[in-house]
Amino acid sequence: QKEVEQNSGPLSVPEGAIASLNCTYSDRVSQSFFWYRQYSGKSPELIMSIYSNGDKEDGRFTAQLNKASQYVSLLIRDSQPSDSATYLCAVNIDQTGANNLFFGTGTRLTVIP
Amino acid sequence: EADIYQTPRYLVIGTGKKITLECSQTMGHDKMYWYQQDPGMELHLIHYSYGVNSTEKGDLSSESTVSRIRTEHFPLTLESARPSHTSQYLCASSVLAGELFFGEGSRLTVL
Repeated sequence: QKEVEQNSGPLSVPEGAIASLNCTYSDRVSQSFFWYRQYSGKSPELIMSIYSNGDKEDGRFTAQLNKASQYVSLLIRDSQPSDSATYLCAVNIDQTGANNLFFGTGTRLTVIP
Repeated sequence: EADIYQTPRYLVIGTGKKITLECSQTMGHDKMYWYQQDPGMELHLIHYSYGVNSTEKGDLSSESTVSRIRTEHFPLTLESARPSHTSQYLCASSVLAGELFFGEGSRLTVL
């Protein structure tokens, strides 16, 4: 089982709608959670980080974390065509020594004008 | 804005050649990373460093090596390239774990 699971999509939403991206993770000692946006042919860019249960809002983006259910989601309100990209979920696991950060395969989002 | 640079951006070479992918950052970050990414696949960590003279292998088995002689510089070397090394290589740096700044990537094709 992978550490981080995402629906690969593609997810298509009309312009102005809310896009909902979901991510589940397998390790209960995960401490911190991140969403990266990756445009086609570009490198990932950090857009949100969340460290505690609940919601965190930043402009049109809201990250939601539920540690008991082991999922983290990203909501994009008033979706724009410029939001069309692959969104990567990443989870930082609290363990010493080895690599701590695990990425999902990403969900491809298309916002239709 | 992140200042992390990778060269070359694109490289096509023949089998058996030695290559070095360069990565430099001007932010003074202690942590640096090399990831490999293939289309539709998750990022795989191949090397990381938490400071000068500190390097570790990541989860993905790799025939590459890295060095960290200066804080700002983290080059990756393949002694003898093979077609299986064809991939996108991404360098990143960070202060806080998980909050990575990525370079633009080096796309390597080995014929």
